[in-house]
Amino acid sequence: ETGVTQSPTHLIKTRGQQVTLRCSSQSGHNTVSWYQQALGQGPQFIFQYYREEENGRGNFPPRFSGLQFPNYSSELNVNALELDDSALYLCASRTSGERAKNIQYFGAGTRLSVL
Amino acid sequence: QQQVKQSPQSLIVQKGGISIINCAYENTAFDYFPWYQQFPGKGPALLIAIRPDVSEKKEGRFTISFNKSAKQFSLHIMDSQPGDSATYFCAASIGFGNEKLTFGTGTRLTIIP
Repeated sequence: ETGVTQSPTHLIKTRGQQVTLRCSSQSGHNTVSWYQQALGQGPQFIFQYYREEENGRGNFPPRFSGLQFPNYSSELNVNALELDDSALYLCASRTSGERAKNIQYFGAGTRLSVL
Repeated sequence: QQQVKQSPQSLIVQKGGISIINCAYENTAFDYFPWYQQFPGKGPALLIAIRPDVSEKKEGRFTISFNKSAKQFSLHIMDSQPGDSATYFCAASIGFGNEKLTFGTGTRLTIIP
């Protein structure tokens, strides 16, 4: 087990709605990244948070936003859902020390379906 | 924008054989090339990685071969086992320890008895 837990595992929403996905990391994991994995594709980097501040962003619009909390949990929020947002959303986290080994631990993901 | 191209999309190999997955990249600023293994219902897990200052890295049955001039790298799985059946992703990033990974599209590997 990676010690990274995501909830819920599956979610169905309709176009235009808003969704919040959650990630719970191990104690000490002060860096968290979120990825979107469309069916049959590789994960795409959405953004990264370090000590509760956004620390890098991929090519995703502002309706994708995030939060990181002091208890090593984090959220991905998506507003105005579009059909193309249907995907597996992965979070990955690590400690500062693990940066040297370039190891990040992925959760199993949340499967979001937008109808 | 597809910056890392991966092939084949799927691969079937007999048990004991060699599995080979290839990737090509475009951005010459990439300087870190990891491979991830993903089982159904699980997130990707780092398998092995290479920096461009070496042409080959081996860890157990897994070997990365890297060709900087051709901008290509490949994963070789020796003595492939049924437990190796998974989806494999190559990736690239700028700077070691940078989570902004650019992933390939994945290869579904099936090892048959």
